[in-house]
Amino acid sequence: ETGVTQSPTHLIKTRGQQVTLRCSSQSGHNTVSWYQQALGQGPQFIFQYYREEENGRGNFPPRFSGLQFPNYSSELNVNALELDDSALYLCASSPAGGLTLPYEQYFGPGTRLTVT
Amino acid sequence: AQKITQTQPGMFVQEKEAVTLDCTYDTSDPSYGLFWYKQPSSGEMIFLIYQGSYDQQNATEGRYSLNFQKARKSANLVISASQLGDSAMYFCAMRENSGGSNYKLTFGKGTLLTVNP
Repeated sequence: ETGVTQSPTHLIKTRGQQVTLRCSSQSGHNTVSWYQQALGQGPQFIFQYYREEENGRGNFPPRFSGLQFPNYSSELNVNALELDDSALYLCASSPAGGLTLPYEQYFGPGTRLTVT
Repeated sequence: AQKITQTQPGMFVQEKEAVTLDCTYDTSDPSYGLFWYKQPSSGEMIFLIYQGSYDQQNATEGRYSLNFQKARKSANLVISASQLGDSAMYFCAMRENSGGSNYKLTFGKGTLLTVNP
């Protein structure tokens, strides 16, 4: 069983640029959530996708957007990058919308984004 | 108000001893779930243990147990027989079920555990 994978591992961008991060969910999982983890902080919920539709959003501006594809893989897009966007971006997948046991989300290794 | 509070920025424990990592939470939702995750320096969040708000018994998973005190709104993680590989950041997280199908986790700021040989 393949776990959650993310690409790229590391990324350096300049302020004002756009970035796309990718996530492949664990086999059989149809729900993908994205989190931002700033240095020294816990992860913060960005949004969730369930069966290709956005299914909830945290306190992040519209320049953070996403997609989920028919194979349940997902992208996180960030436009007009700001210095504060520098963080570890974590993708997590869960089965059946997270409504059945096991409730835990399975996290990928993350993409570390640095904005200069 | 913070929904998840972890008051210990760092903890030290001797190898083979037990350690308790504190977590308190704040919610008005009668149905919720509490999670603990481990994050090594590699960055990946590793699920450790889950406790549902209606579960009658404290959750246990191998060397991990969750000391759930509902009235005090605390969900402390107990690691028995610490190993050097337990050195990592530990995060407490909560899912409030009134959010519908939105499976959002709210995390605390974490506790850095160091196991000394």
